[in-house]
Amino acid sequence: GQQLNQSPQSMFIQEGEDVSMNCTSSSIFNTWLWYKQDPGEGPVLLIALYKAGELTSNGRLTAQFGITRKDSFLNISASIPSDVGIYFCAGQGGQSSGGSNYKLTFGKGTLLTVNP
Amino acid sequence: DSGVTQTPKHLITATGQRVTLRCSPRSGDLSVYWYQQSLDQGLQFLIQYYNGEERAKGNILERFSAQQFPDLHSELNLSSLELGDSALYFCASRRSLNTEAFFGQGTRLTVV
Repeated sequence: GQQLNQSPQSMFIQEGEDVSMNCTSSSIFNTWLWYKQDPGEGPVLLIALYKAGELTSNGRLTAQFGITRKDSFLNISASIPSDVGIYFCAGQGGQSSGGSNYKLTFGKGTLLTVNP
Repeated sequence: DSGVTQTPKHLITATGQRVTLRCSPRSGDLSVYWYQQSLDQGLQFLIQYYNGEERAKGNILERFSAQQFPDLHSELNLSSLELGDSALYFCASRRSLNTEAFFGQGTRLTVV
């Protein structure tokens, strides 16, 4: 099935550093979403992107919907210890969904560790 | 609290058994998604319902089935369980295609 390539798989950073992660796909999506998952919890939505080229911020988080509709990135500025977790990108709709606009396809996640 | 409720939170059962996982979507959300999350596979899409109808299907095994009821809650049935079915099972709901999907806290299934 369709997969998103999310990178990096893991990151170890110092508190205060900026972080960048991205997702790419061989097919286009109509929507890109970024989620964060804490241990033992369900994924929580961070940012939703609905238009190609869109740049959206949510506090220290910034995400962009690539102009080709095949990629998206998430930046976290001035990281803090509570940013630790797994970050997932997800794409919806477009050619990649086998004709279905409803399916959400997830990347494999980026594990972020922040050293205080 | 996302507003999506999943029960039970934990389930331990033996191989060959059958279990039912339940999901209550957020109030007003017509669409329900089911995902399986294991350590090495990330979040794998299983199936999606909209207002009682199946709308999209992922890599769902034939031993698994789901349905959405008139009150919009959904159940995922897993039968002839195998050790490899041990995973976290998440439900998510959304109001429409142009709105965000919110996840429940998941059901951790352990097959022994």
